[in-house]
Amino acid sequence: GAVVSQHPSWVICKSGTSVKIECRSLDFQATTMFWYRQFPKQSLMLMATSNEGSKATYEQGVEKDKFLINHASLTLSTLTVTSAHPEDSSFYICSARDRGQGANSPLHFGNGTRLTVT
Amino acid sequence: GDSVTQMEGPVTLSEEAFLTINCTYTATGYPSLFWYVQYPGEGLQLLLKATKADDKGSNKGFEATYRKETTSFHLEKGSVQVSDSAVYFCALTPRMKTSYDKVIFGPGTSLSVIP
Repeated sequence: GAVVSQHPSWVICKSGTSVKIECRSLDFQATTMFWYRQFPKQSLMLMATSNEGSKATYEQGVEKDKFLINHASLTLSTLTVTSAHPEDSSFYICSARDRGQGANSPLHFGNGTRLTVT
Repeated sequence: GDSVTQMEGPVTLSEEAFLTINCTYTATGYPSLFWYVQYPGEGLQLLLKATKADDKGSNKGFEATYRKETTSFHLEKGSVQVSDSAVYFCALTPRMKTSYDKVIFGPGTSLSVIP
């Protein structure tokens, strides 16, 4: 089955530093990848849609300069949390859709990254 | 806008009990509907899906039927196991051309199954 690898699975960083999270589709190509944020005991909030070869589309209220997204290839998207603060601590999950499966095919999710900012 | 509503949890059941998690949606046109499951500390996994009215999705003993008339997609399982303990998310993908890529999630329902 389609596998999405997300790395790292957890990270602890100091306030003011930047953290990069990688999302890779291992056995399929993804024109589009999605980045979600999940707060404890809450649903997933879509942060942005990452498009290969073009700028990401951010959801309303998400700071573009704080959450930098790069989709350099059909199998890799990265999310960089810049100048992290404790309120950025959260569970970040990426997902991707196999571009060969159609627009309404299910998403494949990474296992998430637990970010803790101290 | 499009949205998904789920019954609030947490839900606690004894092993072998019958499970129903209600899900209703609001959407323009005919969305595709999904149930995703999230085990503790993990990402989401697709559990089942239905892409048109009256379709029944099924997997691992779970099933859900796409009901256009009631805009519902309730999740059911006849006999739950401890290993089914997880958070369940109902979700939809709109069919509108401008936003068909997005997946909209419900708030999730936490299920705990006790021996």
